[in-house]
Amino acid sequence: QKEVEQDPGPLSVPEGAIVSLNCTYSNSAFQYFMWYRQYSRKGPELLMYTYSSGNKEDGRFTAQVDKSSKYISLFIRDSQPSDSATYLCAMSNNAGNMLTFGGGTRLMVKP
Amino acid sequence: DGGITQSPKYLFRKEGQNVTLSCEQNLNHDAMYWYRQDPGQGLRLIYYSQIVNDFQKGDIAEGYSVSREKKESFPLTVTSAQKNPTAFYLCASSITREQPQHFGDGTRLSIL
Repeated sequence: QKEVEQDPGPLSVPEGAIVSLNCTYSNSAFQYFMWYRQYSRKGPELLMYTYSSGNKEDGRFTAQVDKSSKYISLFIRDSQPSDSATYLCAMSNNAGNMLTFGGGTRLMVKP
Repeated sequence: DGGITQSPKYLFRKEGQNVTLSCEQNLNHDAMYWYRQDPGQGLRLIYYSQIVNDFQKGDIAEGYSVSREKKESFPLTVTSAQKNPTAFYLCASSITREQPQHFGDGTRLSIL
């Protein structure tokens, strides 16, 4: 079993929909959680960075961490075609060890 | 603008040939990393460096080598010992190991 699991998709939604992207993990030592967006043939771009449990909002994006369930989510409100990309979750433990990435979820937002 | 520059964007390797991928950052970050990304898979760590003249192997270091002679530069050599080198290679950096990593736009390596 992988340490971080992420549904590969593709996830196809109409423009304006609310999108929910999720990752589950098995290592309870993970404390730092990140979401990256990766467009085709480009490097990942950091979207959200959270520590421990709770919510963090930035514009149309909300990151949510539930450490008791070992589950993190990224919500995108009012999704746009420009949001079409692969979304990667990543996490590390309190000792600042290397990032562990999920396999990525491909999102397609149709006009 | 500050950022991470990877070159070339596309690279072709002949059998038995070593090739070197360039990674330069002007973010004044101490830590730098090399990842390999294969279709449908997450990023796998090849090598990382926390400081100049020091580097450590990641999960899949076999067939690769690196150097860190300058803070801003962390080149990756794909040697002939790497039997399956076709992949998208990503370089990243962070202020310290504990901080989020920022990525370059990658080099796509293919076999001729």
